[in-house]
Parts: sequence; C-alpha cells; structure tokens
Amino acid sequence: DAKTTQPNSMESNEEEPVHLPCNHSTISGTDYIHWYRQLPSQGPEYVIHGLTSNVNNRMASLAIAEDRKSSTLILHRATLRDAAVYYCIPLGNAGNMLTFGGGTRLMVKP
Amino acid sequence: NAGVMQNPRHLVRRRGQEARLRCSPMKGHSHVYWYRQLPEEGLKFMVYLQKENIIDESGMPKERFSAEFPKEGPSILRIQQVVRGDSAAYFCASSPLGMAGYNEQFFGPGTRLTVL
Repeated sequence: DAKTTQPNSMESNEEEPVHLPCNHSTISGTDYIHWYRQLPSQGPEYVIHGLTSNVNNRMASLAIAEDRKSSTLILHRATLRDAAVYYCIPLGNAGNMLTFGGGTRLMVKP
Repeated sequence: NAGVMQNPRHLVRRRGQEARLRCSPMKGHSHVYWYRQLPEEGLKFMVYLQKENIIDESGMPKERFSAEFPKEGPSILRIQQVVRGDSAAYFCASSPLGMAGYNEQFFGPGTRLTVL
C-alpha cells in the first residue's frame, strides 16, 4: 500500500475555504485517491475520490497533482459540521480494505 | 434507502463472555467489511466478506474472533472470551461491488464494545 503523509491538525474559520494536503509519493499508477472523514463518535464517511483529473462533488473538490504524488481536498466554505478527521487513502483495483493512517484533524472556529 | 445498520450500538460484556455484533448492509450491497478502532487510534481493517464467503481475513486476530455473512440475515462479528483489550469501536461497511479502487464504502454508526 502507498504510504501517505498528512498534517496532524489544521484550523479554519467558519465559512472560509480549507485546503487539506496529502502526500502519497509511492502511489502506483492505477491507485485511486480516496478521501474519507470521521466526525466525532461516528463512522467514517466517504467524501470524494479521483484518479488523475480534478474532481468535484457536492461535498468537496479534489485537486490531484500532475505527477499524482500529492493531492489536496478542498472544502469551499467550512462549516462547524466539517470538524472531523480527514483521511487520504490510495486504493488500487485489487484492494479489499481501506488503510486509514493518522489523518488530519480539522478544527473549525466560529 | 436505509444506510448500513449496526446493532447493538453499545455493548457491555464481562471478561470471558461472548460478544456478537451485527451488521446489515445497505440494500443491494453484497460486500461487507469490518474495521476496529481502538481508543485514540485509527481504524484497522479486520475482514472482508461476501455472501457465505470470507474473502480476506488478514486483519482478524488469530484466536477468539470470527465473522460470517450468511445467505440470509446480517453479517455477524463474534468475539469469544472477551478481554479488556477488545474494548473498541467496531465499524461495518458495505459496498455494492467488490472493492475496486473506484468504489466507495458506506459505513455504519459502529458498535462500541466495553469489556469490564
């Protein structure tokens, strides 16, 4: 499995954009990049995933570097409900399990 | 469409007792995954099952733990002779297809097991 590096924690003000970085320099060419988040006392929640192109959905945007060694999850307007631990997870087509690292704990200030 | 359901949400057992955790996947999903989250730690994969088959149990402890996903009914994670170190949150997830890189997993709310 590709190793990932994420900041332990980040802070944001409410209604401001947040950029959560992830380094995955050992990612293979066929690995998708998944992002999940875990709100306090809840199960993980899928956020977004991509392969090469940038992706958008109702929750967030995912910007993937051209060399695919890093990616950035973008929350366009952070809300208090976005306070969670965010996990970046490379996953290949043969993968069965999600491998959760330490993630980034996002704190959102009102 | 109801999400992944897990019960009980909280379970208290004394050392040596058995714990049975149940997971009902989302409708139409035939792939189930179990993860464990020890206090103040990240989630760790335990086992991946399809109906009536264990596909990958590389994360399961060798003893006391077993899992099944019968043709009918929920998936069951069974822990025999529980010890204090089994206290954790156990999460189940399901997906409609096998875990290819482009699939997402849908997680349940978890069962919090406390062993006294």
